[in-house]
Amino acid sequence: EIVLTQSPGTLSLSPGERATLSCRASQSVSSTYLAWYQQKPGQAPRLLIYGASIRATGIPDRFSGSGSGTDFTLTISRLEPEDFAVYYCQQYGRSPRTFGQGTKVEIK
Amino acid sequence: EVQLVQSGAEVKKPGESLKISCKGSGYSFTSYWIGWVRQVPGKGLEWMGIIYPGDSDTRYSPSFQGQVTISADKSISTAYLQWSSLKASDTAMYYCAKQGYSGYDSWFDPWGQGTLVTVSS
Repeated sequence: EIVLTQSPGTLSLSPGERATLSCRASQSVSSTYLAWYQQKPGQAPRLLIYGASIRATGIPDRFSGSGSGTDFTLTISRLEPEDFAVYYCQQYGRSPRTFGQGTKVEIK
Repeated sequence: EVQLVQSGAEVKKPGESLKISCKGSGYSFTSYWIGWVRQVPGKGLEWMGIIYPGDSDTRYSPSFQGQVTISADKSISTAYLQWSSLKASDTAMYYCAKQGYSGYDSWFDPWGQGTLVTVSS
């Protein structure tokens, strides 16, 4: 099973700042098979990025994904108030599919 | 609009059985894998398994194999997650989600609204 480790666990930032979230895999993951989701309290997760760097429909361009192999990054260029949430990475290239444990982006 | 609508919250006792549902609309239900994801309160997401409604091909995470059964009824565009004997540790929110791409290796998009299952004596 591929273990995804996200860091940091919590990121305390102010609106307008840049957020950089990391997702590290225990084995190499093809960049084709890495996704990022956003989850707000009381809501279902929402797809942000798939294929490591492709924004899902309707996702603002302040969200970007990058990386390959075992190291992937989600960047939010300028935090908006609605971006404070928990973010999860997921690999879907090997079975069982796995999620990272999440990074909470909170208001500083 | 592609939509997944899940059945309502459930409160059960340990040892009881349960089947929750997820109805898809707005797309070809038989052409996309649907998965189930568990979220224990305050915790992260756990991938449980997926089913291809076209032929009911089902894959489970080893962590959930034998603990739950995933099924689908393509005649009514509905996927199911069931337990034969619930435990308190099954208390969680359960999400269904459609794979975004029709192939096997795909992300999830969109997700259902979730079904909260509470197991307590």
